[in-house]
Amino acid sequence: DAGVIQSPRHEVTEMGQEVTLRCKPISGHDYLFWYRQTMMRGLELLIYFNNNVPIDDSGMPEDRFSAKMPNASFSTLKIQPSEPRDSAVYFCASSLSGGGSRTQYFGPGTRLTVL
Amino acid sequence: DQQVKQNSPSLSVQEGRISILNCDYTNSMFDYFLWYKKYPAEGPTFLISISSIKDKNEDGRFTVFLNKSAKHLSLHIVPSQPGDSAVYFCAASFGNEKLTFGTGTRLTIIP
Repeated sequence: DAGVIQSPRHEVTEMGQEVTLRCKPISGHDYLFWYRQTMMRGLELLIYFNNNVPIDDSGMPEDRFSAKMPNASFSTLKIQPSEPRDSAVYFCASSLSGGGSRTQYFGPGTRLTVL
Repeated sequence: DQQVKQNSPSLSVQEGRISILNCDYTNSMFDYFLWYKKYPAEGPTFLISISSIKDKNEDGRFTVFLNKSAKHLSLHIVPSQPGDSAVYFCAASFGNEKLTFGTGTRLTIIP
C-alpha cells in the first residue's frame, strides 16, 4: 500500500514567491495534518482536517499560510508571499479515527528553502 | 508554551547497552502517548504507544513507561543497535486525533 505522498520533495524559491506544497493521504484515512519541523519547536502542528473540513488552524503562523482539502485524497499548503523564515521541512500526515490508536502516518516531507 | 518537553537534545549510548529517552508533559488531560522515530530525509514513523490507563507497554526491544503522577514517560531500548541511531519524538494527545510533539532527542549508538 502506498503511504502518504508529498510533492515536491525539495523546493527552492525566492522571497516573495508563492509556494504550494501537496499531499495525498493514505486512502481511507479521515484525518489529515500539516506539520512544520524546526530545530527550536520540533514538530509543530499547523492545521488539521477531518473528513476534508478544517478543524483547527490555530498553528498557522500568519495569514500568508493557507491550506485546503478539496477532496479526501488531496490537500495543499500554500505560502504567499514566502519569506526566508519559512524555510523548514513541512510534513503531511494522515490517520484513521476509531480503534483508539491515534497513530499518524507521515509523508517523507518537503524541504522548503526560501532565499 | 511547550506542553511536551524533551529536555535532552542528544544522547550517545554504546551498542548493546540500554538507551533511555525521557519526555515530560504539563497537561494532565493527556490520555495517550506515542513515540516516533525519524531518520534523516524521511518522515517520522510510529514506534510504540501507551494509554494513560497503563504504566508500561512493551514491544520487542522497546518499552515505554508512564508515570502519571510525575507527568513523565520514558522509552527504553534494550539492547541498543546501530540502526537505532535516529531522532526520537514523544507525542501526547487527549480525547482526539490531534498530537502534540516534543522537540526530539537525537540518539547516537556507538559501535
